[in-house]
Amino acid sequence: QVQLVQSGAEVKKPGASVKVSCKASGYTFTGYYMHWVRQAPGQGLEYMGRINPNNGDTRYAQNFQGRVTMTRDTSISTAYMELSRLRSDDTAVYYCVRDADYGDYFDYWGQGTLVTVSS
Amino acid sequence: DIVMTQSPDSLAVSLGERATINCKSSQSVLHSSHNKNCIAWYQQKPGQPPKLLIYWASTRESGVPDRFSGSGSGTDFTLTISSLQAEDVAVYYCQQYYTTLPYTFGQGTKLEIK
Repeated sequence: QVQLVQSGAEVKKPGASVKVSCKASGYTFTGYYMHWVRQAPGQGLEYMGRINPNNGDTRYAQNFQGRVTMTRDTSISTAYMELSRLRSDDTAVYYCVRDADYGDYFDYWGQGTLVTVSS
Repeated sequence: DIVMTQSPDSLAVSLGERATINCKSSQSVLHSSHNKNCIAWYQQKPGQPPKLLIYWASTRESGVPDRFSGSGSGTDFTLTISSLQAEDVAVYYCQQYYTTLPYTFGQGTKLEIK
């Protein structure tokens, strides 16, 4: 069965960077885009961008351009999302999300990683 | 960016009654090449990631109870729960996937038991 298992919670200071991992299993990792979506406490869902694990091609939402970097390691079926120059409003749960076979809706979600930015 | 607006923000419905959540997009999300609306609906319970319920505006994901249905076209969409069960208490989100960057979500509708 498809599983996306993310790394554990992080606490960071403003200005620092955080790197969240997402290990995929149960399907061909290079066959599906991996997206990242975040959710601030008590708030809605915000799309960050995606990576094509097959060739490493990335597309980032404008709100995160210049601060986010998505990478992957196909040898261990793992995707990464690094966010730099953290601010307090980056405090959120970060999800890795796989898109579906025939459309860019999201059929599998990781369990989420809480990133807290606090001085 | 396509703006997705849900209504209402919160909703209280009695067990066994119908619940209706609306979602309006700022532009049409009807994909002309395959005549399908690029709308998905998700259910999120506290402390859990969202769960896919509906895609292509009206196709139910495998395993989703048939009391959940989606409808609409163009810019106006609806998620209907025909007979509310206690386990349906959650926040519901619509999402458009017509334009890639960014995919956008509605602000969410909180569904509670009356």
